Amino acid sequence: EVRLVESGGGLVKPGGSLRLSCAASGFTFSPYSMNWVRQAPGKGLEWVSSISGSSRDISYTDSVKGRFTISRENAKNSLYLQVNSLRAEDTAVYYCARDRASAGRYFYAMDVWGPGTTVTVSS
Amino acid sequence: QSALTQPASVSGSPGQSITISCTGTNGDVGGYNYVSWYQQHPGKAPKLIIYDVTNRPSGVSNRFSGSKSGNTASLTISGLQAEDEADYHCASYTSSSTRVFGGGTKLTVL
Repeated sequence: EVRLVESGGGLVKPGGSLRLSCAASGFTFSPYSMNWVRQAPGKGLEWVSSISGSSRDISYTDSVKGRFTISRENAKNSLYLQVNSLRAEDTAVYYCARDRASAGRYFYAMDVWGPGTTVTVSS
Repeated sequence: QSALTQPASVSGSPGQSITISCTGTNGDVGGYNYVSWYQQHPGKAPKLIIYDVTNRPSGVSNRFSGSKSGNTASLTISGLQAEDEADYHCASYTSSSTRVFGGGTKLTVL
């Protein structure tokens, strides 16, 4: 079964840090681009960051640049998001999601999602 | 990186068809055929239902269809069923090599 499972969320004070992890199973992890997407309480989805299979291509939404760092360890089938200098507006469920691929072609669409991990930033 | 524009809510009766719009710019929706749509039930993770504007992943009902005209993409659900009641989110690749989502649309089946 193709599966993604996030961990590492929690309650943190403003200015604090966390390291979110996403464990992949049931598929060959290394070729796939991966994403972090977040959803604040009662709000829509917000794309946070993407990383290519080789880690060569990395991108971030403007509001997290300089504070968040995406990385991956293909040997461990794992995706990470280091979140620093946290603000109240970073409070959200954080999902990891895989970009779709088929017949050697990669798509800008997320076809596998984890259940999410909750980050709450509050004093 | 402004969010794509979706209506906050739409509604329809069982058996009817509804359409949800998703408006962006030449730098995202209008510039690429990389619009995707996601269905999200309360408390659940999103599910991909349309990719590359018009394509359905295997296992997604053919009652779901996508289209695009200029800077606006649309999701149409025909033959509405009770289980279609959910939030729907559009997304697009952008000219900055990033992604952007819409604000989400709540579909109510009356």
